Amino acid sequence: DAGVIQSPRHEVTEMGQEVTLRCKPISGHNSLFWYRQTMMRGLELLIYFNNNVPIDDSGMPEDRFSAKMPNASFSTLKIQPSEPRDSAVYFCASSTRTDEKLFFGSGTQLSVL
Amino acid sequence: GENVEQHPSTLSVQEGDSAVIKCTYSDSASNYFPWYKQELGKRPQLIIDIRSNVGEKKDQRIAVTLNKTAKHFSLHITETQPEDSAVYFCAASGFQKLVFGTGTRLLVSP
Repeated sequence: DAGVIQSPRHEVTEMGQEVTLRCKPISGHNSLFWYRQTMMRGLELLIYFNNNVPIDDSGMPEDRFSAKMPNASFSTLKIQPSEPRDSAVYFCASSTRTDEKLFFGSGTQLSVL
Repeated sequence: GENVEQHPSTLSVQEGDSAVIKCTYSDSASNYFPWYKQELGKRPQLIIDIRSNVGEKKDQRIAVTLNKTAKHFSLHITETQPEDSAVYFCAASGFQKLVFGTGTRLLVSP
């Protein structure tokens, strides 16, 4: 298995632009998580899905952030409009519901200028 | 919600020494406690985990202990090697929501 696949690896954009991050979970995993990592706040859970349904989005910082999971093999995290304080590494992770072992993707390094 | 505290924030040891990282959690409903290792510029990777019905677990040079009464758990690395140098995160989970500690930067000097 190729593991959790994220794209792009790096994204540089200007303030006010829309940013879309993509994730393909491990085949057979039915839970998907989006985390954000910064030096100041560490690893923060933004949102997670079970069987494509959002279960807890309490970590989503603002209405500028949205996430979707249209099918079992694809999820997006969108920021619109982006701001410099959104600069961080965004990780996607997946697991099975019965085994909570999280497997992380390589992350997307987002820089908002 | 769950709150996980981790210390120390940095730890320097000589090769061959042992290293211990400690975490406390707040939610008594948490029942799953994994540890992740993150090398610079890489993804966090699971190195060991323990569930609340177990007090200790070992995997070669790595061990984790859990004290549910006191709500704390620890990572023990024996015979440290330079390749153990990384940031280590503890985490706690109840009902799938994994909350991470702030990380410990471990530096192993040859």
